Parts: sequence; structure tokens; C-alpha cells
Amino acid sequence: GAVVSQHPSRVICKSGTSVKIECRSLDFQATTMFWYRQFPKQSLMLMATSNEGSKATYEQGVEKDKFLINHASLTLSTLTVTSAHPEDSSFYICSASPGRTANTGELFFGEGSRLTVL
Amino acid sequence: GIQVEQSPPDLILQEGANSTLRCNFSDSVNNLQWFHQNPWGQLINLFYIPSGTKQNGRLSATTVATERYSLLYISSSQTTDSGVYFCAVEPYNDYKLSFGAGTTVTVRA
Repeated sequence: GAVVSQHPSRVICKSGTSVKIECRSLDFQATTMFWYRQFPKQSLMLMATSNEGSKATYEQGVEKDKFLINHASLTLSTLTVTSAHPEDSSFYICSASPGRTANTGELFFGEGSRLTVL
Repeated sequence: GIQVEQSPPDLILQEGANSTLRCNFSDSVNNLQWFHQNPWGQLINLFYIPSGTKQNGRLSATTVATERYSLLYISSSQTTDSGVYFCAVEPYNDYKLSFGAGTTVTVRA
């Protein structure tokens, strides 16, 4: 299967700081990547769709100024949590597909990044 | 949006037992995937199965797209099968993958 990698896997920061999470497709190019968020013992919720070379598309209720997404190359998307607060503490997971056309293709997920804001 | 319901929410098995997990969805789909989330949070791809039947070792899955459900079978369960199993679907005309609430499986030695 295709490999998607995230970094860092775990980050602890103070309230008010910004944190950047990287998502890389290691063995394929991805024009589209997806960012999900998972709270403890809950399911994954889609936050936004990251599009290479253009603006990200955010799901309803997700603050675009809080969660900045940049997809500058075909193998890298970044999620920056700006001015993080304790309620932003969560597990963030990205995904991408090597065979993605407009609306189909098996998705592969990164290892996830656990953010703890003190 | 599309509704994805998984059952049962929790399942406790004795090692060696067989089990069936179910995923119902409310609309036609392009894509259906089953994942196993391990204790570290990693999502492991089990099946990409928008329709039909597939098998991989002790696991198999069947999707009946016309009746909008999918089943995941675990045979001869092992303690390493413990974790959360998610079903996720991608509706027609919408490229986003939506997840069910998951089934938490605990296999006891």
C-alpha cells in the first residue's frame, strides 16, 4: 500500500503558541490531501481538504484562521494550529490517495499527530 | 450528509472465536473502506470494498451496495485483533470519506 507519513507524532505546547504538523506522501504524488481530527474515544471528523496550489476547503464549523493549511507541493501538506488553546488538544490525522481521481480511490492515512496544549 | 452506522459498538471475544461487524450507510457510495485503529492511533487499511467480497487471511469483507451495508468477518480471533474497527464511505458526488462511530473489539486470551 501507499505510504503517508506525519510529523511530529506527538507535540506538547503552551497555550498561545502555534504548532505545525506535516503530512507527506512518500511514494506517490497527491494533488489532494485530507485532514481529520479525532477526540478521545470518538470517530474521525473531516476538517478540511487540502488542494495542491490552491486554497484549502474547510468543513462547516472549522475555523480557517485557526487551522491554516498549506499544500505547496504534490507530496507535502501542512496544518498549522495557530494560537493553540487546551480545547485544540486532539489527535490530528492526514490522508491521501495515490490513485485519486475526482471522487474515488483508496485512501491511506498517516500515523497521526497527538497535540496537547497546556 | 450520508449516515454511517456501525454495530455493535462494543464486542468482547474469547481468543479463537469468530465475529461479524456490520456497517450500514444511508446513500449510494463510490468507495467503502474498513480500517483497524491500533492502540497508537494508526489507521491500518483492511479492505477497499465498494462492492463484492474480499478476503485477507483471517479477515474477509462483503459489501452489498444495492442494500447499503457491509460486513467485516473476523475468524479465529487473536488478541492482536483488539482495537477499534472503522467503516468509512465516500458518497456519490462527494469525494469526502465519512466515518462510522466504530466498533471496539476486545479479544481476551
